[in-house]
Amino acid sequence: KAGVTQTPRYLIKTRGQQVTLSCSPISGHRSVSWYQQTPGQGLQFLFEYFSETQRNKGNFPGRFSGRQFSNSRSEMNVSTLELGDSALYLCASSLAGRGPISSYNEQFFGPGTRLTVL
Amino acid sequence: GNSVTQMEGPVTLSEEAFLTINCTYTATGYPSLFWYVQYPGEGLQLLLKATKADDKGSNKGFEATYRKETTSFHLEKGSVQVSDSAVYFCALTVDEKLTFGTGTRLTIIP
Repeated sequence: KAGVTQTPRYLIKTRGQQVTLSCSPISGHRSVSWYQQTPGQGLQFLFEYFSETQRNKGNFPGRFSGRQFSNSRSEMNVSTLELGDSALYLCASSLAGRGPISSYNEQFFGPGTRLTVL
Repeated sequence: GNSVTQMEGPVTLSEEAFLTINCTYTATGYPSLFWYVQYPGEGLQLLLKATKADDKGSNKGFEATYRKETTSFHLEKGSVQVSDSAVYFCALTVDEKLTFGTGTRLTIIP
């Protein structure tokens, strides 16, 4: 079974631009979560989508948004890029969620998209 | 809110040494606890997990026990190998949102 895939793997943008990152979950997984990883702030939760609906949200400004399609693929968008948005963006998928953690909602991570903002 | 405090790194050990990476947590509710590992240029891989008090998670020679009384989930391995060199993250979840520690970079020298 193929793992979580993220595209592109590397991206260079300039301040003020916008960017869209893509995540394809493991086949059959309906929940997709996004995380930002930076040296200063570590790993921080951005948001989670389930059945095309945002179900959980972290503490990021409105410039960060996402969506999920009917095939569970997800995209995240960052508008008006700032230098501080340079990070590794990780996507994770799981079968579903809610309730006690089990193999049913264990999260599997993709390799990430490394975004550099100049 | 939820938080994870993890042993600061980096940690450098010789091959076959004993490893401990400390992790303590604060959580509302009853969390599940995890250790993830990140190899260079890769995403996170789940190393082990524990879902209730006194559970012991284990994988690839690594172990961690969910200690509710001390709110801890320390990672241990009896004999580390060069291939264990990576960054290790302690994490918890009460719902689907994972809260991570800052990570500990482990380097094993032959």
